[in-house]
Amino acid sequence: DTAVSQTPKYLVTQMGNDKSIKCEQNLGHDTMYWYKQDSKKFLKIMFSYNNKELIINETVPNRFSPKSPDKAHLNLHINSLELGDSAVYFCASSQGVYSGSYEQYFGPGTRLTVT
Amino acid sequence: AQSVTQLGSHVSVSEGALVLLRCNYSSSVPPYLFWYVQYPNQGLQLLLKYTSAATLVKGINGFEAEFKKSETSFHLTKPSAHMSDAAEYFCAVSGDTDKLIFGTGTRLQVFP
Repeated sequence: DTAVSQTPKYLVTQMGNDKSIKCEQNLGHDTMYWYKQDSKKFLKIMFSYNNKELIINETVPNRFSPKSPDKAHLNLHINSLELGDSAVYFCASSQGVYSGSYEQYFGPGTRLTVT
Repeated sequence: AQSVTQLGSHVSVSEGALVLLRCNYSSSVPPYLFWYVQYPNQGLQLLLKYTSAATLVKGINGFEAEFKKSETSFHLTKPSAHMSDAAEYFCAVSGDTDKLIFGTGTRLQVFP
């Protein structure tokens, strides 16, 4: 069974469109994250949610809106896509710092290409 | 605040040779340190972690890393490289929050 899954794996769209990426984890973790990996492979956190509550928002444009319907799911909606949004987006999960566990488990990534 | 510096964006070794990937960290609190590996077009896989227990940490696929507080380092080693080790390796730190701060990555190439 896949621990952290994302859909879709590839997403090609035009500037100005709105798109969503979905993430699900079956590890029973309380905390989920979104990371962005740019073309130079640099990874940077965007958001984290603990049990459906937003706890980290790293100065991401408000065109990006995460939504967590339950603690097993964290979706990322992006409005008015721009060329600079092209990247690989990774979802991750962990038991969370409140439990004393810090390692995060990553999904396979979604490669977003904006044309 | 935390940061990670990975020295060497590319490392090339021959199959069977020692692998050494360097990572130095900066942290205002006791750090938790991680090495992740990313194979082409895949997600990140946790290789090993340091969470203030033993300073020499063993991970998967024969990799290990040693936490040296005096040198603020957490270098990754493997005694004998395999072709299958070719990938991108990321060092990461966390501590006062649960977000991971990643280094810029080191691409490991293994030549036959």
